[in-house]
Amino acid sequence: NAGVTQTPKFRVLKTGQSMTLLCAQDMNHEYMYWYRQDPGMGLRLIHYSVGEGTTAKGEVPDGYNVSRLKKQNFLLGLESAAPSQTSVYFCASSSGGAGANVLTFGAGSRLTVL
Amino acid sequence: GIQVEQSPPDLILQEGANSTLRCNFSDSVNNLQWFHQNPWGQLINLFYIPSGTKQNGRLSATTVATERYSLLYISSSQTTDSGVYFCAVEHSSNTGKLIFGQGTTLQVKP
Repeated sequence: NAGVTQTPKFRVLKTGQSMTLLCAQDMNHEYMYWYRQDPGMGLRLIHYSVGEGTTAKGEVPDGYNVSRLKKQNFLLGLESAAPSQTSVYFCASSSGGAGANVLTFGAGSRLTVL
Repeated sequence: GIQVEQSPPDLILQEGANSTLRCNFSDSVNNLQWFHQNPWGQLINLFYIPSGTKQNGRLSATTVATERYSLLYISSSQTTDSGVYFCAVEHSSNTGKLIFGQGTTLQVKP
């Protein structure tokens, strides 16, 4: 059981470049999340999904897009990267629903935008 | 949206000491979790505790939902307890939207 796997673990981009972060879970979880972590800011929710084909905005969605075409995958896209998007990105998943929304996190992806 | 505040922001302890971390939230919740982020960045779920009290070894947590706060107790602290502790909450409207506090950074000295 791999749990929650994030790809890539590290990436350096130039301003204006695009990229996609992939999150994959093998626990048949309904809910999936993308957070970013910056020093002193805790974890801030970017986008989340409560089921295949659904997505919703979190606290800081601007500059990001997401897709959940398959239940096991949640993709986070940066269309035109900016230095302010330099951060560590965490994906999480859960069974979802009342009493069952307990998060399991991936190991994180460190993104640097120059 | 719901606001989550954690205190204190930083805490330094000698090994063996006890500590209490607090999480205040601004609205009714149906989900509250505590996490530990170790110095390598890994996030581990400690408790799912929307109400009541739970214990797991040297750690215990209490949530008083009616007063909108939760406490995490660490007893006989060890150096391996060092890291950042986060609480996360979900509004009782049950949207799936889990919001984190800014965390408490704990350093346990030998």
